[in-house]
Amino acid sequence: DSGVTQTPKHLITATGQRVTLRCSPRSGDLSVYWYQQSLDQGLQFLIQYYNGEERAKGNILERFSAQQFPDLHSELNLSSLELGDSALYFCASSVGNKLYQETQYFGPGTRLLVL
Amino acid sequence: DQQVKQNSPSLSVQEGRISILNCDYTNSMFDYFLWYKKYPAEGPTFLISISSIKDKNEDGRFTVFLNKSAKHLSLHIVPSQPGDSAVYFCAASGPGTASKLTFGTGTRLQVTL
Repeated sequence: DSGVTQTPKHLITATGQRVTLRCSPRSGDLSVYWYQQSLDQGLQFLIQYYNGEERAKGNILERFSAQQFPDLHSELNLSSLELGDSALYFCASSVGNKLYQETQYFGPGTRLLVL
Repeated sequence: DQQVKQNSPSLSVQEGRISILNCDYTNSMFDYFLWYKKYPAEGPTFLISISSIKDKNEDGRFTVFLNKSAKHLSLHIVPSQPGDSAVYFCAASGPGTASKLTFGTGTRLQVTL
């Protein structure tokens, strides 16, 4: 158990809909990262938040957005969903007090299926 | 542009033998490398990491070797156990990458009896 929690575990929805994925980091971690793993793909970095502020952005679609709240939990919002958004979405956290060379610990993921 | 490559999608090793998983990278800015293990329906679990100032790091049965000139790293598991059967991901980060991890596509290790 990494200490990172994600809800829900599974999500089935229809095209055009909007969903929210939630992540709680390990106790004491200030940085939260979101990754997407599509079929036969490695994990792709989406976005990072540090202590409530966006720190880095990867290949995140404009239909997707995220935020980190004062209690440090984070939400990833996916809107106007398309079939191709079906994937595993992982959250990771790290202490966050260094700009790099930090180990990230991953949650169990949310499996999203768009029908 | 695949900056981190794991060219072997799968590997089968007998229990008790050594497993060697390989990873190549192209971005010379990477200076921190990690290995994660992933079981189906679970998130990646951190195994071991290495900074570019070292060429070897050991933790129990796991050793990671880094060859900076060849931009190559490898994970050695000795001895291999059936519980090691999983997908192994290599990941890298660097000062120019704002701490995000760039992952390889993974190698599926099967440890047979």
